[in-house]
Amino acid sequence: SQTIHQWPATLVQPVGSPLSLECTVEGTSNPNLYWYRQAAGRGLQLLFYSVGIGQISSEVPQNLSASRPQDRQFILSSKKLLLSDSGFYLCAWCKGGYNQPQHFGDGTRLSIL
Amino acid sequence: AQKITQTQPGMFVQEKEAVTLDCTYDTSDPSYGLFWYKQPSSGEMIFLIYQGSYDQQNATEGRYSLNFQKARKSANLVISASQLGDSAMYFCAMTLIRGDDKIIFGKGTRLHILP
Repeated sequence: SQTIHQWPATLVQPVGSPLSLECTVEGTSNPNLYWYRQAAGRGLQLLFYSVGIGQISSEVPQNLSASRPQDRQFILSSKKLLLSDSGFYLCAWCKGGYNQPQHFGDGTRLSIL
Repeated sequence: AQKITQTQPGMFVQEKEAVTLDCTYDTSDPSYGLFWYKQPSSGEMIFLIYQGSYDQQNATEGRYSLNFQKARKSANLVISASQLGDSAMYFCAMTLIRGDDKIIFGKGTRLHILP
């Protein structure tokens, strides 16, 4: 069966520090991969998605970036974090196709001090 | 533009009662998929149920059913015999048949089940 792993679960970082969140999927090949951010009590905002290795589409201009160095690995990064980057970050995958649900990792709670 | 609207920010329901969570959507594309997700306080997003735009029958998954009214562009989630564990945030979402498989999420409804 397919599983998705996302880490770390919780992260506290100072303003201006770098960021690296990692997500890996097991049990499937060539998945679509997604990064979302969720502010407290709010809906999900799509940040990046990828349909293949090295293919990244950005939804919202910001100081974050994403990379997909391997088929089942998706990384969210920042060179310098802002206070506004605080939130709950979720990684997701799907097989592809409009009738396929996205499956989510457990999320990372990021606090910027 | 495509849009998902959930008009109920919060609901309180007595345990064992049925619950209906409202969702309306807007798209000019004839081909789309509709999903409901549950997010407990722990944060993970759990897929509940799917309905395709060409499906003739309403989707059901255990205690969950989707009341799909295509002409009204509504896709309400019905939870039968609610349980305390159903307390969570619920999101309605839509995908379009295109190449990127992006999902559009509503803002969610927070459901509280009362003992």
